[in-house]
Amino acid sequence: QQQVKQSPQSLIVQKGGISIINCAYENTAFDYFPWYQQFPGKGPALLIAIRPDVSEKKEGRFTISFNKSAKQFSLHIMDSQPGDSATYFCAAQNSGGSNYKLTFGKGTLLTVNP
Amino acid sequence: DAGVTQSPTHLIKTRGQHVTLRCSPISGHKSVSWYQQVLGQGPQFIFQYYEKEERGRGNFPDRFSARQFPNYSSELNVNALLLGDSALYLCASSLTGLNTEAFFGQGTRLTVV
Repeated sequence: QQQVKQSPQSLIVQKGGISIINCAYENTAFDYFPWYQQFPGKGPALLIAIRPDVSEKKEGRFTISFNKSAKQFSLHIMDSQPGDSATYFCAAQNSGGSNYKLTFGKGTLLTVNP
Repeated sequence: DAGVTQSPTHLIKTRGQHVTLRCSPISGHKSVSWYQQVLGQGPQFIFQYYEKEERGRGNFPDRFSARQFPNYSSELNVNALLLGDSALYLCASSLTGLNTEAFFGQGTRLTVV
C-alpha cells in the first residue's frame, strides 16, 4: 500500500518557468510533510517542510501548498534554474505513531532546460 | 560542522555474504534512522534508533539488524545477502527523531553479485 503518491514521475521545465510537483497521502495521522532534493550519487537533502496548521510555506523560490481536506500537498519551484535539475521526493511522518519513520513518495525527476 | 557521514561509500559483495554499514550522526543528534533506496524509488524505512534503543522497524526481513552505540553512531548489518539487497543505504540523523528535521548522509551504494 503506497501511502504517499507523488506525481508526475518526470517533469521538464524551461529556465525561468514554474515547476509543480504534487503529492497525496492517505493516512490522516500524518502531521509533518518535508520535501527532499536528491542529486545523482548523493543523499536526499531537506529542502522545505510544512505542518498541517498552515496552508502555505515559502522559502526563497520554493513554496509548499498544503490542502488538509484534500490530503494533498505540492511543491512549487519559481524561476526554475538548470541547477534545480534533480529528483524531488515528498515525504510524510506521523509524530504520534509508534515510530517516526518518513514515508516517501516515489520521486519526480525534474529537468530544467537552459 | 560535519554532516552525517557514512562508510564505506561503495561496496561489492557476493550473494550469501554479510555486510556492515556504518553511520556517524551530526554532532548533538541522538537519533539515527536507516533507509534503503532502490534505483528509481523513494527511500524505504528500515530502522530508527534513539538513545541506543530501537524505536521503529520497517517491513524488512530478520536478515537486517542494527544497533546504536553510546556515541550515537550506528551500524546496519545485513546477513545472507541477496541480489535484491543491492541498493543505496541511507542514514539519517535528527535531534530526537520526533518532529525534528532529518538530515541524510551520502549513502552507501551496495552491489550484491
